[in-house]
Amino acid sequence: DGGITQSPKYLFRKEGQNVTLSCEQNLNHDAMYWYRQDPGQGLRLIYYSQIVNDFQKGDIAEGYSVSREKKESFPLTVTSAQKNPTAFYLCASSTGTTNEQFFGPGTRLTVL
Amino acid sequence: DAKTTQPTSMDCAEGRAANLPCNHSTISGNEYVYWYRQIHSQGPQYIIHGLKNNETNEMASLIITEDRKSSTLILPHATLRDTAVYYCIVSHRGAGNMLTFGGGTRLMVKP
Repeated sequence: DGGITQSPKYLFRKEGQNVTLSCEQNLNHDAMYWYRQDPGQGLRLIYYSQIVNDFQKGDIAEGYSVSREKKESFPLTVTSAQKNPTAFYLCASSTGTTNEQFFGPGTRLTVL
Repeated sequence: DAKTTQPTSMDCAEGRAANLPCNHSTISGNEYVYWYRQIHSQGPQYIIHGLKNNETNEMASLIITEDRKSSTLILPHATLRDTAVYYCIVSHRGAGNMLTFGGGTRLMVKP
């Protein structure tokens, strides 16, 4: 049963702590993406990766970091430098030749 | 810079067709029109895409005007489960071409 998994669904952290969100896909997709969504808003691109060991900044990369050591995995770290980290985080993937994206269920991060 | 314009919200009666419009007057010749939807607190779901011709799949139909400056997504028999935010996105096809999700249209299907 192929798809994208994100864990956990809900995450709570204290202010000033780094936190890493997990994203795993078994669709054999080359490209992976991280988006942030604030209440009532559309999605904004944080980082994306088209191949293993390579990634590019999106529109709002400040305060975030990523790695792409394996094709299946694209973890996102929300650092203490991110001024307003409370949001809904969505991971997506697509094949290497098209940009039809498949999304995971999301992680809702709340920083207290 | 907004590439698409959609109404903020729409209502539709259950069982009736839902017609969601989108304006993309600055679309370039090789840009596609994509539609996604997002049910509350879930990840967006791909619906359909097209370039020039009308397209249909098991979920919806996409009607693109001849001048390609606007399109309409049609859900032929809306159900309560179709209540969602629908995003119309214009993008070049191919990896590396990003999808920009704007505000979308909030469709409410009512019994």
